[in-house]
Amino acid sequence: GESVGLHLPTLSVQEGDNSIINCAYSNSASDYFIWYKQESGKGPQFIIDIRSNMDKRQGQRVTVLLNKTVKHLSLQIAATQPGDSAVYFCAETQKTSYDKVIFGPGTSLSVIP
Amino acid sequence: NAGVTQTPKFRVLKTGQSMTLLCAQDMNHEYMYWYRQDPGMGLRLIHYSVGEGTTAKGEVPDGYNVSRLKKQNFLLGLESAAPSQTSVYFCASSYSIWTGGKETQYFGPGTRLLVL
Repeated sequence: GESVGLHLPTLSVQEGDNSIINCAYSNSASDYFIWYKQESGKGPQFIIDIRSNMDKRQGQRVTVLLNKTVKHLSLQIAATQPGDSAVYFCAETQKTSYDKVIFGPGTSLSVIP
Repeated sequence: NAGVTQTPKFRVLKTGQSMTLLCAQDMNHEYMYWYRQDPGMGLRLIHYSVGEGTTAKGEVPDGYNVSRLKKQNFLLGLESAAPSQTSVYFCASSYSIWTGGKETQYFGPGTRLLVL
């Protein structure tokens, strides 16, 4: 469901450690999922996506895991760097109603040098 | 490629004033979208367009109008601004749905609007 809170969940990670950001999605019919990174004062930027017929996908330093049973998505960032500090949010959508992309409220990642 | 650009970057309006936000993309995308982003909430779709000359309502269309006269431009209008429309507005564009894995939306840098 949609968050109405004013404060984003925050994750603080030491530089060099791995980060795991979680997302619970709302619609069991969703079949395409995207992770975005949004730096302060900028628009969201695509990181990685995954379709519902997969449970894992890897990119450069990032891995997305999908657990359809519990409607859970996670983004793992390896060897977190200061430049990774941003808000990360997931989005879900369906092949049959692409205008209905649902965005999560996001998690603020803070990397400690 | 400039990608997705938005004009203006920041604007202050008084209640009742009108304004138009401009979005332009140079990627030949069919789909364009207008979202608003409020603190602690996910992006919410205002209006979208699936091609030149077409528009459709999203999740929160009230108080806004849009036009897509040219494929590369998508305009968002506020006819009579209200304080509740204070937000950051993002435009996005994408290829047609499910086209070879290029479904991703590309976002502009945002327009910060303050309505007093």
